Amino acid sequence: GAVVSQHPSWVICKSGTSVKIECRSLDFQATTMFWYRQFPKQSLMLMATSNEGSKATYEQGVEKDKFLINHASLTLSTLTVTSAHPEDSSFYICSARVPRGYSPLHFGNGTRLTVT
Amino acid sequence: QKEVEQNSGPLSVPEGAIASLNCTYSDRGSQSFFWYRQYSGKSPELIMFIYSNGDKEDGRFTAQLNKASQYVSLLIRDSQPSDSATYLCAVIGSGNTPLVFGKGTRLSVIA
Repeated sequence: GAVVSQHPSWVICKSGTSVKIECRSLDFQATTMFWYRQFPKQSLMLMATSNEGSKATYEQGVEKDKFLINHASLTLSTLTVTSAHPEDSSFYICSARVPRGYSPLHFGNGTRLTVT
Repeated sequence: QKEVEQNSGPLSVPEGAIASLNCTYSDRGSQSFFWYRQYSGKSPELIMFIYSNGDKEDGRFTAQLNKASQYVSLLIRDSQPSDSATYLCAVIGSGNTPLVFGKGTRLSVIA
């Protein structure tokens, strides 16, 4: 089945620094990838849709200058959390769909970010 | 606003029983329906998908879809403690819109 790889699985950084999270589709080309965030005991929240070769589409309330998304190839999207603050500590999960019909979303294993 | 509604639970069932998880959706033109399982601290994993009215069985899992009632359910037979997780219903709406997730139902299987 389709595999989405996400790296790193966890990261601890200091307040004010930037963190980059990578998301790769391993056995299919993904023109679109989706970035979610999940706080403890809360539901998944879609942050943005990453489009290969064009600008990402951000959901309402998500700061595009803080959460930089780059989708430079058909198999790689990156999310950079800039000037991280403790309130950015969360579980970030990327996902992608095989571009065929109404195929399901496949998730990476997630990145747990802790900002100290 | 396209919505997917689930009872947040927790739904508690004894080991060996049938767990029934329900989901309703607002977009009548929705085409595809998915059930994901999410363990605490982990990312969601796909359990089943269903496109047509009726039942679809896969092992201990059965997905049921009723488009007229805008209702999709997941039955888990012979529930095991390892089935304890949050179950997310997700729907692709008309026009191939992005997946919309429900908030999930927390299932607890008691040994």
